[in-house]
Amino acid sequence: GQQVMQIPQYQHVQEGEDFTTYCNSSTTLSNIQWYKQRPGGHPVFLIQLVKSGEVKKQKRLTFQFGEAKKNSSLHITATQTTDVGTYFCAGSLVFTGNQFYFGTGTSLTVIP
Amino acid sequence: DTEVTQTPKHLVMGMTNKKSLKCEQHMGHRAMYWYKQKAKKPPELMFVYSYEKLSINESVPSRFSPECPNSSLLNLHLHALQPEDSALYLCASSQETGDGTYGYTFGSGTRLTVV
Repeated sequence: GQQVMQIPQYQHVQEGEDFTTYCNSSTTLSNIQWYKQRPGGHPVFLIQLVKSGEVKKQKRLTFQFGEAKKNSSLHITATQTTDVGTYFCAGSLVFTGNQFYFGTGTSLTVIP
Repeated sequence: DTEVTQTPKHLVMGMTNKKSLKCEQHMGHRAMYWYKQKAKKPPELMFVYSYEKLSINESVPSRFSPECPNSSLLNLHLHALQPEDSALYLCASSQETGDGTYGYTFGSGTRLTVV
């Protein structure tokens, strides 16, 4: 499968601080999805980005797809303890394809 | 119903056993998936079924055998597994349209231990 790397691997933040995770692909992606997995839980779909340079917001979360469609980012403003979990990006090479390959993930710990 | 249901939630099996994992969804999704996830690692794609036909097999060993009896059900038959196959097995489904694939809905997984 394709290589999708995320940095950082781990991030500890104080509650109220911002957090960003970056996703980088070795190949151009058709679309990218983001998931959150709480400890002991299963991945939960957050959003899908399709267009080059696309930016989408969900409350305190901002998602961005790079112009070259090889990278993406997730930014959380003013983290809360409920944001704890591992954030995965998942990329697909083909627009109508249904195989998404998960990135390595970023584990977020929020210190109250 | 917006859920993917997986059974059993936990399974311990010996290396000579045969067992099956089951997955069910009633959202009308026509794509279903099996992923394998080891601790602190991302989910790894194993199989993709599209309209009840196997469309992708990510070079998975033959001791794992998927089956899609109908559009709502997905099974994973296990035989002669190794201890390194111990992992969380996740089933997912997604809607497919001409506009592309939508986000996956994952089940809560089967935590498999091979002894």
